[in-house]
Amino acid sequence: DGGITQSPKYLFRKEGQNVTLSCEQNLNHDAMYWYRQDPGQGLRLIYYSQIVNDFQKGDIAEGYSVSREKKESFPLTVTSAQKNPTAFYLCASSIGAGWNTEAFFGQGTRLTVV
Amino acid sequence: RKEVEQDPGPFNVPEGATVAFNCTYSNSASQSFFWYRQDCRKEPKLLMSVYSSGNEDGRFTAQLNRASQYISLLIRDSKLSDSATYLCVVNRQGNTPLVFGKGTRLSVIA
Repeated sequence: DGGITQSPKYLFRKEGQNVTLSCEQNLNHDAMYWYRQDPGQGLRLIYYSQIVNDFQKGDIAEGYSVSREKKESFPLTVTSAQKNPTAFYLCASSIGAGWNTEAFFGQGTRLTVV
Repeated sequence: RKEVEQDPGPFNVPEGATVAFNCTYSNSASQSFFWYRQDCRKEPKLLMSVYSSGNEDGRFTAQLNRASQYISLLIRDSKLSDSATYLCVVNRQGNTPLVFGKGTRLSVIA
């Protein structure tokens, strides 16, 4: 089955640690995205990538980093510089970025700082 | 003004009721519009795209008003399974990612 897989589903991090969230898709989509959702809030864009080896900052990129070495994979690292990392992280992909392109989401990773 | 604004609700309606949500957007150059549905603690899923002429999918009707910069979603004959948060989604100008509203929560009550 084609789709987007995020792992892990739940992640606990100690303060000061970096953690990496995995996102893999087998939809052959060019564009991939990372969003963050806080309780009662909408989705906010962290980073996005329209092509391999290229990515752009979204609205809240500070404290995060990404890589896009393969078309299928777009991992997100939450660094210790991110002051409030506890949130629901959603990875998405689409055929291309922008006009009239539906975004498909993974099931998300819930990150909690302990 | 926020890029995409929605009434957060919650809208509590009885089964069988008709309910409508509105969403306003600030960028007049926006070209693509969608409604997504998000169940509690789940990922968003596309409900329907919104076209200039309006479009219908079963009990759901979406409308776009470019002059006033708003889109709407009408749900007829509400079912218990319609209970969810409905996200208004708009594209920015050019080849850029979608922008999501905060969502409107709907609870359909038996």
